[in-house]
Amino acid sequence: QSALTQPASVSGSPGQSITISCTGTSDDVGAYNYVSWYQQHPGKAPKLLIYDVDNRPSGVSNRFSGSKSGNTASLTISGLQAEDEADYYCSSYTRHLNFDWVFGGGTKLTVL
Amino acid sequence: EVQLVESGGMLVQPGGSLRLSCAASGFNVTTSYMGWVRQAPGKGLEWVSVIYSAATGGNTFYVDSVRGRFTISRHNSKNTLYLEMNSLRLEDTAVYFCVRKVVLGYYFDYWGQGSLVTVSS
Repeated sequence: QSALTQPASVSGSPGQSITISCTGTSDDVGAYNYVSWYQQHPGKAPKLLIYDVDNRPSGVSNRFSGSKSGNTASLTISGLQAEDEADYYCSSYTRHLNFDWVFGGGTKLTVL
Repeated sequence: EVQLVESGGMLVQPGGSLRLSCAASGFNVTTSYMGWVRQAPGKGLEWVSVIYSAATGGNTFYVDSVRGRFTISRHNSKNTLYLEMNSLRLEDTAVYFCVRKVVLGYYFDYWGQGSLVTVSS
């Protein structure tokens, strides 16, 4: 299964902003506005952060925002906090023949 | 409150079978779209399967690597989702998360805590 491409790691200091990219193809990220982002702390289940590119579920901090341009989606976290240290995964619905959803390989965020 | 609780994960030999269960509360699995996502040790997430609501036909879909070996189903009165796994391979070793897919969208809004399946001789 071809995963969406994310940087393996990013880091930032408390209070700073960071952006995580998620690159797909014209069959997934570029084809639909169905990109979602999930946060996963070690040993925990993923938690929905962003859906449909730039929408936040109720209860998710407005420090998290999403965007998309062409085949690349992005997650921006502003005002970094220690508890933001986690793994982040993007996902997209896809029109690939052999699977319906594709995830990114994940990005480890370190808060310095 | 929506909750998903998986069970059934264990050590199984290659070629063996296993059934995972996901007990749902706070909503009705029959009227929902449900699925499974797995995560191999130290790896990223991989979508495995989804079952659509009964009202929309209950269609099932699978990632190519498990199609023909895994079967997703639900028990309406028990409000439980299942994943029947046959002909298990070493590469099926993973934590399997039960997920709820929103009806009018293409994302997973609730996740269970996961159940570990280890395929090893």
